[in-house]
Amino acid sequence: ETGVTQSPTHLIKTRGQQVTLRCSSQSGHNTVSWYQQALGQGPQFIFQYYREEENGRGNFPPRFSGLQFPNYSSELNVNALELDDSALYLCASSWTANYGYTFGSGTRLTVV
Amino acid sequence: KQEVTQIPAALSVPEGENLVLNCSFTDSAIYNLQWFRQDPGKGLTSLLLIQSSQREQTSGRLNASLDKSSGRSTLYIAASQPGDSATYLCAPRPGSNDYKLSFGAGTTVTVRA
Repeated sequence: ETGVTQSPTHLIKTRGQQVTLRCSSQSGHNTVSWYQQALGQGPQFIFQYYREEENGRGNFPPRFSGLQFPNYSSELNVNALELDDSALYLCASSWTANYGYTFGSGTRLTVV
Repeated sequence: KQEVTQIPAALSVPEGENLVLNCSFTDSAIYNLQWFRQDPGKGLTSLLLIQSSQREQTSGRLNASLDKSSGRSTLYIAASQPGDSATYLCAPRPGSNDYKLSFGAGTTVTVRA
């Protein structure tokens, strides 16, 4: 098992720009979820993908979008960046409900 | 909406002491519950997964209990070590077809050598 890998590790963007974060899920995991974690808080659910289709979304605006690819990789795209988007973005993958989630090490996004 | 509360928010103990971390959740209709560890600025490492039909789960020095009806889970860490210093998060999962995890703010543990 290779685990969940995320890239880049750190990123600095300017307000109004667009960003793409990437995640490679654990082999065989057909579900991927993305979370946003602000400093000092627990992770907040953004959305989930199952077999390349979005099938769940948290309380985030449409400028947060994603994709899941057949090779289990995934992308999180954020348009029109705002200062409050500065956070740690976590990707998590799962095979079945019984096996729980495996998280990546995250991407630290700073918007200036 | 599932609300998760973890008490205490922070804990500082001398090495060797046993740790008790509490997690409460408002909606008891959960499928399972996962405990995670997070080091500063890092991702989440899964510690234990406890199914809704189980009362407890053990891994080495870690033991997690689950009282689904009262919406509570407790993580016990025996004989704490400085390497146990981290933030611990619990996350209940609503259902087998609902992948969303709800998190509290966690308990930050410091183990003093």
